[in-house]
Amino acid sequence: GAVVSQHPSRVICKSGTSVKIECRSLDFQATTMFWYRQFPKQSLMLMATSNEGSKATYEQGVEKDKFLINHASLTLSTLTVTSAHPEDSSFYICSARKGGRGAQETQYFGPGTRLLVL
Amino acid sequence: AQSVTQLGSHVSVSEGALVLLRCNYSSSVPPYLFWYVQYPNQGLQLLLKYTSAATLVKGINGFEAEFNKSQTSFHLRKPSVHISDTAEYFCASHPGGNTGKLIFGQGTTLQVKP
Repeated sequence: GAVVSQHPSRVICKSGTSVKIECRSLDFQATTMFWYRQFPKQSLMLMATSNEGSKATYEQGVEKDKFLINHASLTLSTLTVTSAHPEDSSFYICSARKGGRGAQETQYFGPGTRLLVL
Repeated sequence: AQSVTQLGSHVSVSEGALVLLRCNYSSSVPPYLFWYVQYPNQGLQLLLKYTSAATLVKGINGFEAEFNKSQTSFHLRKPSVHISDTAEYFCASHPGGNTGKLIFGQGTTLQVKP
């Protein structure tokens, strides 16, 4: 199997505070993890690629100082939403890349984190 | 730029019916292709993936998909759906290369009626 967990599953915070979301690969090591954002009734939007031991690669239009990513180990990546505002409210999903390259690799997704900023 | 298109944002069928969810990709080289399912307020679960070993791919929960190079399609089907199959379905493409990034389609909501 390939299980990815996220914590917390839901979080409500006040505007201006920071929120940390954890993504863990439970039964495999992942040198690469991905962070997505999903708006209601829409597809996933890739925010950044998290690489173990190096800086994350952010997609165009994503503020790296706003969304801090740390991938300190082969099984854990964290996304910190700094100074959160109501417009940051969303469903955040992580995935972990398992396998080699090409045909062997597959992304396995976490259950998501619902963030509500008041 | 490569893209994935899912035709039909919403499909509604009766329980026990055959369902076909459409996915077309644009790529000069056949990519690796995936179908994921998302139940409400949950992450994505892998249904199946195409990696060029066989054109007909069987996945979990009775789903299967057929890769058609000439039509650049990878449609998902299930011969007899259950109410529990009600969910959002995403087709995704991995164009190759080292980034590992997936290109997602817009998603298709499948509603199975009793």
